[in-house]
Amino acid sequence: QVQLQESGPGLVKPSETLSLTCTVSGGSITSYYWNWIRQPPGKGLEWIGYIYYTGSTNYNPALKSRVTISLDTSKNQFSLKVSSVTAADTAVYYCARSVQMWSHFDFWGQGTLVTVSS
Amino acid sequence: QSALTQPRSVSGSPGQSVTISCTGTINDIGGYNYVSWYQQHPGKVPKLMIYDVSKRPSGVPDRFSGSKSGNTASLTISGLQAEDEADYYCYSFADIYTRVFGGGTKLTVL
Repeated sequence: QVQLQESGPGLVKPSETLSLTCTVSGGSITSYYWNWIRQPPGKGLEWIGYIYYTGSTNYNPALKSRVTISLDTSKNQFSLKVSSVTAADTAVYYCARSVQMWSHFDFWGQGTLVTVSS
Repeated sequence: QSALTQPRSVSGSPGQSVTISCTGTINDIGGYNYVSWYQQHPGKVPKLMIYDVSKRPSGVPDRFSGSKSGNTASLTISGLQAEDEADYYCYSFADIYTRVFGGGTKLTVL
C-alpha cells in the first residue's frame, strides 16, 4: 500500500518561500504523477501542480509564477516551493498520487498546515 | 479557469437518496470523462469515491454512484447513512495545463 507523508515548517513569514517535502513509501516514485493540492482553512481544494517521474512538471496557471515542484528519486521524495508567500497561502498542503496526467488522486498524504504570518 | 460549481449544501434523511451536482463547461466536464468525487470528513483527508465519471474504487459502497450529462456531473448517494455526512468535492481534468475542483458541498444527514 502506497503511503505519502508531508513534512516541512508549519510557519512561514510573508514574502519568504514555503518549502515542503513529500516522502513516498510502499512503492517507487519512478512512475505515476505526483501532485500538490492545498486547502485554505474552511475552504475548498485547489490543485497546485504535479511532477512526473521523468521530471516534467505542470502547474496551476494561477500559481505558476511562484511554484516549483522537484523530484529526488534516490530518496523517493518530491518537493514543493512557493515563493513570495502571503496570508492567502495559509492552507493545509496535501501531496497526492495520480496514475495518469488526466486522472484522479488515489493516494493522499495526511496533509500539513502551513501558516503564513510574521 | 474557474472552479466547478456545486451547491453549498444538501440534506437528506437516513435511507433517502441525495444527488450533488457539479457544473462546469465544455472545456472541462463537458469535454472529458475524467470527473472524480472526493468525500472529506472534518479534519480528515479527502477520500476518492468515484473516478472517470462513474467508476467506484474498491471498498466504496455501491450506494455511491456517479454520472454525467453535458457539462454537469452528479454524485448520487442512495440509502443515506449518518456516516455519509461530510463535504463532497468534484474534480475534473480541463486541459493539459489545468485541473479544477468544485467549491464543495456540505451533506447533512437529518
